[in-house]
Amino acid sequence: GAGVSQSPSNKVTEKGKDVELRCDPISGHTALYWYRQRLGQGLEFLIYFQGNSAPDKSGLPSDRFSAERTGESVSTLTIQRTQQEDSAVYLCASSSTIQSPSDNEQFFGPGTRLTVL
Amino acid sequence: AQRVTQPEKLLSVFKGAPVELKCNYSYSGSPELFWYVQYSRQRLQLLLRHISRESIKGFTADLNKGETSFHLKKPFAQEEDSAMYYCALTIYQGGSEKLVFGKGTKLTVNP
Repeated sequence: GAGVSQSPSNKVTEKGKDVELRCDPISGHTALYWYRQRLGQGLEFLIYFQGNSAPDKSGLPSDRFSAERTGESVSTLTIQRTQQEDSAVYLCASSSTIQSPSDNEQFFGPGTRLTVL
Repeated sequence: AQRVTQPEKLLSVFKGAPVELKCNYSYSGSPELFWYVQYSRQRLQLLLRHISRESIKGFTADLNKGETSFHLKKPFAQEEDSAMYYCALTIYQGGSEKLVFGKGTKLTVNP
């Protein structure tokens, strides 16, 4: 079946503009994660959605960042008033939590490369 | 603080040589550790998890709680092993589950 998809694959924007990134998880996966990967850095956790529970937003770096998820489907990550330091690859992952937590493999999308000029 | 440390940013070996990618973690709970790999132009994907005690593509990793390590090893490296490798730790906090990743090690296997 289809894996996690993300759009757009690349986004170039001007400083101060808002951007919206989209993630389509694997069908049936209740958990969805957003990560940020800056050049030369590891993956930085941003936000976690699990079913209808309140999302874990503890990784969002500022109030310019927000994310929504409709039920157990599509999620959008919005960055308002983008800054140059927001330039990074934004990765989305989904997992099924039906199995025990330690079996929960995260399946990653291809990422969106955001460049803020 | 929960964190994962991969001390080597770059690692270069020759084909057929043994390889070890180091990973150390800091976590107060019972650790659940993973290795993820990203081959050139491919997505990040799970390589192996400590709970399974499995060997994937010849790689193994043993959890050493005394040394808080989860090093990835392969006795004979192959050119196709060249990739970016990330060690990751599952953190459970207040009903939330997330992965904390190391900064990654870029492995190059030379012919």
